[in-house]
Amino acid sequence: EAGVAQSPRYKIIEKRQSVAFWCNPISGHATLYWYQQILGQGPKLLIQFQNNGVVDDSQLPKDRFSAERLKGVDSTLKIQPAKLEDSAVYLCASSLDRSQFFGPGTRLTVL
Amino acid sequence: DQQVKQNSPSLSVQEGRISILNCDYTNSMFDYFLWYKKYPAEGPTFLISISSIKDKNEDGRFTVFLNKSAKHLSLHIVPSQPGDSAVYFCAAPSNAGGTSYGKLTFGQGTILTVHP
Repeated sequence: EAGVAQSPRYKIIEKRQSVAFWCNPISGHATLYWYQQILGQGPKLLIQFQNNGVVDDSQLPKDRFSAERLKGVDSTLKIQPAKLEDSAVYLCASSLDRSQFFGPGTRLTVL
Repeated sequence: DQQVKQNSPSLSVQEGRISILNCDYTNSMFDYFLWYKKYPAEGPTFLISISSIKDKNEDGRFTVFLNKSAKHLSLHIVPSQPGDSAVYFCAAPSNAGGTSYGKLTFGQGTILTVHP
């Protein structure tokens, strides 16, 4: 069974630029999550999708972050414009039950 | 508001000995807990879980203990191996939006180093 795929693995941008991350969950997993992990901290949920509907986006900075999950499968997370404090690893996860399976993450560095 | 806390940033043990990683939580609504292991440049990998109706769950070298009255759980690794060196996170899911499976609230993580 293929795992959660994410791309790119690394991205370096300057502040005020825009960036997009892509995630392909495990086949058949209806629930998809985007987490932000800042160095030295645990992952923090940004947004949760159930199929293509948003379940929880209470921690998403909506003035600069957006996410979509077209057709209930792949998802993209966008940051526009990026700030220095957005430097982090962005993790995508999917689940069928309480156990979530994570992708390798995208490490974003904002200069 | 840190609902899940891992107060030890790091732990160092000798190969073959027991590793004990601790986690405390404040939200009494949590009824399920998970431990994840994370290697550098990889995403967290599910390790073991426990439901609040149990006080112990064992899987090979890994055992998780839950003390509900103290709101405390611990992960025991016996015997520890160098390949166990990683960051360990405890986490708890919360319900959201009518689904049964909500976001995971993570602790800060504990870096485990197992020396040969």
